This record gives sequence, C-alpha cells and structure tokens, in this order.
Amino acid sequence: GENVEQHPSTLSVQEGDSAVIKCTYSDSASNYFPWYKQELGKRPQLIIDIRSNVGEKKDQRIAVTLNKTAKHFSLHITETQPEDSAVYFCAAIPSGSARQLTFGSGTQLTVLP
Amino acid sequence: DSGVTQTPKHLITATGQRVTLRCSPRSGDLSVYWYQQSLDQGLQFLIQYYNGEERAKGNILERFSAQQFPDLHSELNLSSLELGDSALYFCASSPQVGGFSYGYTFGSGTRLTVV
Repeated sequence: GENVEQHPSTLSVQEGDSAVIKCTYSDSASNYFPWYKQELGKRPQLIIDIRSNVGEKKDQRIAVTLNKTAKHFSLHITETQPEDSAVYFCAAIPSGSARQLTFGSGTQLTVLP
Repeated sequence: DSGVTQTPKHLITATGQRVTLRCSPRSGDLSVYWYQQSLDQGLQFLIQYYNGEERAKGNILERFSAQQFPDLHSELNLSSLELGDSALYFCASSPQVGGFSYGYTFGSGTRLTVV
C-alpha cells in the first residue's frame, strides 16, 4: 500500500517568514495530494490540494508543488501569521478501487510573534 | 459546519464496555471513512464504506466494527474497550470513491475517553 512520509515533525518560524513542509510518497500511481490543517482539538480542514497532472498550485499565501518523478510534494506558506500555527498533514490517494487517503505523520507549525 | 455530523462529541466509558459512534455524511456524499487519532498521533485509517458496502479496511481491531445504512449514515462500534482505545475518532465523507474531485470533509470528531 501507499506510504507517506512527512518532514519536519515540528517547525518554528518567525511571523512573516516562510514555512515549507515536505512529503514523499511510495505509490507512483497516486494521483491526488491534499493538505489538511488541524487546530488543537478540532477537525482536519482541507486547505489546498493538487492533482498529478499539475506541478504547482497557489492560493493566496499557500502553495503546493509536486514532483512526480521524485515522488515528493511540498507545502509552502509565505508571510506566516500566528493563526497559521497548527498541525499540517499531507496525504495521498493511491491507485486501486478503494482509494482511501493515506496521511503523513503531521507537522506542528508554530509561528512566533 | 462542515456538513459531516458526528455524535456524540464526547464519550466517557469504562474498560470492557461497548460504545457506538455515529456519523452522517455530507449531503450527496456516498463514501464514509473512519479514522482514529490518538494523543499527539497522526490519522490512522480504520475502515471505508461506499454506498452501504465495505470498501477497504485499515488498522481496525477485531473488537471494532462498522456499517453504513441505506440512508448513508454510518456507525462505528467499539467493544471490550481498553484504556488504549481513548482517542479522537473522526468520520469523513467524500462524493465518490476516493473523493478525487473534492477530497475528504471531516466531521468534528468524537472524543472517547476510556477510564
């Protein structure tokens, strides 16, 4: 099955700086890569996603890049703000009929004022 | 409100007991997924249903079972509970198998505490 590895597990940045979180996946047939943000005690919320036929996608301060050859994708947050502090999860949907999301282990992002 | 409804929000029960967690998916979504999130842990996939049928199983214990009913709501049954079963249990739904177009929408979760 699919295996998604996520780095780093914790990340602290100064407010206004950029943050980058990286993930690798194992199933070369995976074709959908969402990112979720989870605040403490709350549900994961989809913040951005990318399909395998696209190399980059941007939504305001958030961008995701995908390198299918290397099987890795990254989340980029620019001009970070304290409200960006949360746990971020990457995920991938592998091939096969069930196609359930496999999540990375999460990154605790702390934006320091 | 995400449109995915989970009840109850909190549940405290004793070891050895049995509980049922309920999930109503977003209107129009046929797939329901259950995930377990222990303290400071990631999201562990338990089981998936699509239009009433089981589609995939993850790391679900034999003490756990689930079903999806004709109205598409789903229930996760946890029996012979142990302290280690304490966790947040999330339900998610998607409009089709794998939710290719929209990804998952998560409910607010049920926090289970086994004492």
